Amino acid sequence: QVQLVESGGGVVQPGRSLRLSCAASGFTFSSYGMHWVRQAPGKGLEWVAVIWFDGSKKYYADSVKGRFTISRDNSKNTLYLQMNSLRADDTAIYYCAREDMVYIDSWGQGTLVTVSS
Amino acid sequence: SYELTQPPSVSVSPGQTARITCSGDALPKKYAHWYQQKSGQAPVLVIYEDSKRPSGIPERFSGSSSGTMATLTISGAQVEDEADYYCYSTVSSGDHRVFGGGTKLTVL
Repeated sequence: QVQLVESGGGVVQPGRSLRLSCAASGFTFSSYGMHWVRQAPGKGLEWVAVIWFDGSKKYYADSVKGRFTISRDNSKNTLYLQMNSLRADDTAIYYCAREDMVYIDSWGQGTLVTVSS
Repeated sequence: SYELTQPPSVSVSPGQTARITCSGDALPKKYAHWYQQKSGQAPVLVIYEDSKRPSGIPERFSGSSSGTMATLTISGAQVEDEADYYCYSTVSSGDHRVFGGGTKLTVL
């Protein structure tokens, strides 16, 4: 079955960087677009970024554009999110998610990122 | 920026029908999808492409869309359906995605 396991979360100071990873298994990773979605404490879901199955296209929410970079390594079945210039309002659970056609059909359990001095 | 608008909360008694709406200007041309999120858990897809139900989702969950509004209907809501529900769609340009603000469903 589809399994998505995020890692790399933790506590980081404002202005610093962090890289999240998402290890995928149970499906042909290189055939699917992948997303990062986040959820601040007590808040709703916020779409962050998407990457095409082959990495050819990437799109970002305005709130992270220019600071975050989504990437993938299809040889390692792994999705990444490089987060730079982190701010307090980036504090959230970050979910890795798989896209089937035009919708997200599978989610990881999430990794918590806390931006605090 | 593009937005999907949902009511913050909906409340029904067990066995009643719950309807959660999602409005957005691009919905006449873009599908709406729905996710259920229970406390402390990852979201789960309950309706995709306006009205299709994934395997394993109870038949009491259904979806529809007309004009700029999509609706998630839970017929005969049960206590275990208490959760936050989010609609999700694509911006008209086809690249960005967006979630609605979420609706907290209370069944009691």
